[in-house]
Amino acid sequence: EIVMTQSPATLPVSPGERATLSCRASQTVSSNLAWYQQKPGQAPRLLIYGASTGATGIPARFSGSGSGTEFTLTISSLQSEDFAVYYCQQYNNWPYSFGQGTKLEVK
Amino acid sequence: EVQLVETGGGLIQPGGSLRLSCAASGFTVSGNYMSWVRQAPGKGLEWLSIIYSGGSTYYADSVKGRFTISRDNPKNTLYLQMSSLRVEDTAVYYCVRGNGGSYLGWFDPWGQGTLVTVSS
Repeated sequence: EIVMTQSPATLPVSPGERATLSCRASQTVSSNLAWYQQKPGQAPRLLIYGASTGATGIPARFSGSGSGTEFTLTISSLQSEDFAVYYCQQYNNWPYSFGQGTKLEVK
Repeated sequence: EVQLVETGGGLIQPGGSLRLSCAASGFTVSGNYMSWVRQAPGKGLEWLSIIYSGGSTYYADSVKGRFTISRDNPKNTLYLQMSSLRVEDTAVYYCVRGNGGSYLGWFDPWGQGTLVTVSS
């Protein structure tokens, strides 16, 4: 099983600042990586797939990069609605696996 | 509008059984690969099971032999039959549609989730 490791677990950031979240795979997943956002009491929402392709309706301030084992989600200028938990997921190998999440909190 | 709505969660005793349903609209369950994902309270996401358009099914080791995924094509509904439930199965259960041309892909959309609580 591929283990996905996200860092940091919690990221204090001020509104308007840039946030950079990391996700590492225990073995290569090519570009078969997705990012999801989850707000309290809500289901996760797809942000990015294919490591760098934005999902429909996702603001341009969200961007993804990386391939192989190292991936990054960048939020260019944090808005109040962006404070949430973010998960990465690999879909290159069985079984699917998720990272443990990074929580963005207000600094 | 593409939408998934789960029902069937509730409080169940350890060792009991429960069936979750997921009604789809805006697309056909039979023409897509569908999965169940769960989230224990305060924890991360765990993939559980998948059913392909051809009917093949696969399970995570944690639920293999206890959970069964199925679908009803005329009702456009996905199911998860859960048996021999354990306290550690307590979670919000989400149904999701798989996307992508291969047999593995990203999840979108997600249902709103249904809470299963296993407790005596």
